[in-house]
Parts: sequence; structure tokens; C-alpha cells
Amino acid sequence: QQQVKQSPQSLIVQKGGISIINCAYENTAFDYFPWYQQFPGKGPALLIAIRPDVSEKKEGRFTISFNKSAKQFSLHIMDSQPGDSATYFCAASAYSGAGSYQLTFGKGTKLSVIP
Amino acid sequence: DAGVTQSPTHLIKTRGQQVTLRCSPISGHKSVSWYQQVLGQGPQFIFQYYEKEERGRGNFPDRFSARQFPNYSSELNVNALLLGDSALYLCASSLGWDHGYTFGSGTRLTVV
Repeated sequence: QQQVKQSPQSLIVQKGGISIINCAYENTAFDYFPWYQQFPGKGPALLIAIRPDVSEKKEGRFTISFNKSAKQFSLHIMDSQPGDSATYFCAASAYSGAGSYQLTFGKGTKLSVIP
Repeated sequence: DAGVTQSPTHLIKTRGQQVTLRCSPISGHKSVSWYQQVLGQGPQFIFQYYEKEERGRGNFPDRFSARQFPNYSSELNVNALLLGDSALYLCASSLGWDHGYTFGSGTRLTVV
């Protein structure tokens, strides 16, 4: 069964620090790896995404690092702020042809950024 | 631009009843997917529709069904509700497989 394993389950970081969340996958057919941020009572919102032909992608304070050989990818949040406190999900998707694709999510990381 | 809209936002149903959830995708998005998110877990894939045809189905019982209409809106139906069906049901629309998925705020279903 396709799986995406995410760690840690929860994370507490001081304001201004770096938050790091890790994910590992098994299915080598995965070829699109997004990260989502979810606030209570809201749907997940796309933060940043990467494809396996790139080892790193940066958008503002958010960076994805991707290690294809290890089948691992991680999210780094630089200069973490209290407003970043949310649950973060990694996900992976594979295109199965004929318009068929689906996201497989990790179990989430609850990030708390303390002042 | 309007995002993905879902209705209703909250719903309380009794065991054994049936429920219909609705989703309107972002204009121009032809793919609509449904996910179930149980409290404290990541979303789980239920269905994907593209160009009004079912393109994928997750590991959910036949009590779950869905359809997509000519205007690309979609409905998710759940029959014979169980307590375990209580969850946040999310709809997502997309331009394509690697264009990212935009999620709605979901429908919170409580089965009592």
C-alpha cells in the first residue's frame, strides 16, 4: 500500500528558529511532492511543492529538500513565526494515466511557534 | 477568484441516514477529488473525477458514491451512515496532476 511517513508528530520551536519536518515514501512512482498547511477548521492550503528532478526548492521562508535516492523529503521553515503555528502535511502523488491522480498524505505535524 | 466552495459547512446526521455533500471547483478546474479527514489524521483519498468520469477510488466501502456534473461541480453521497463516518470531508480541485490541489474548507459531518 502506498504510504508517506511523516515525523515528528508535534514540534515546538522558538520564534525566529528553524522548523524541520521530515517525510519518507515507498512508492517510486510518486512524482509530485507538495506540502500543505492547515489551520483549525480550515482545509489544507498548498504551501510549496517539488518534483523529483530537483533537489531543493525555496519560496520565501519555506524550503523543500528532496533526496530521491533515500526517498525522503523535508520542509524547512526559516525564521519561524507564531503565525506559522498550524498542522503541516506532506503528500505525494503519481500520475496513473487517463487523468487519474491522487494525493497520499502523511499523518501531519502540529507545529507550535512560541514567542 | 472564488476558491473551492463546499456545502453545507456542518451537518449532523443519525446512524443509518444518508447524506449528500456538494462541491464547486475553481473555474477552469476539470478535476475534482474528495477526501475524508478524521480528527488528528491526514486526509484520505475517496474519489477523483476528471471530465465527469471517475478516475480513481480509494479504499472506502460501496456506501460511498460520487458524481461530477457537466459544470464540473460534484456531489459525494454516503448511505447507511455509521458513527465512524464522522469526519471532515474535503473537496479539492486541480488543473492537472502536477499543478497542485486547492482544497475547500470542508464539510464537518457528525453522525450520532
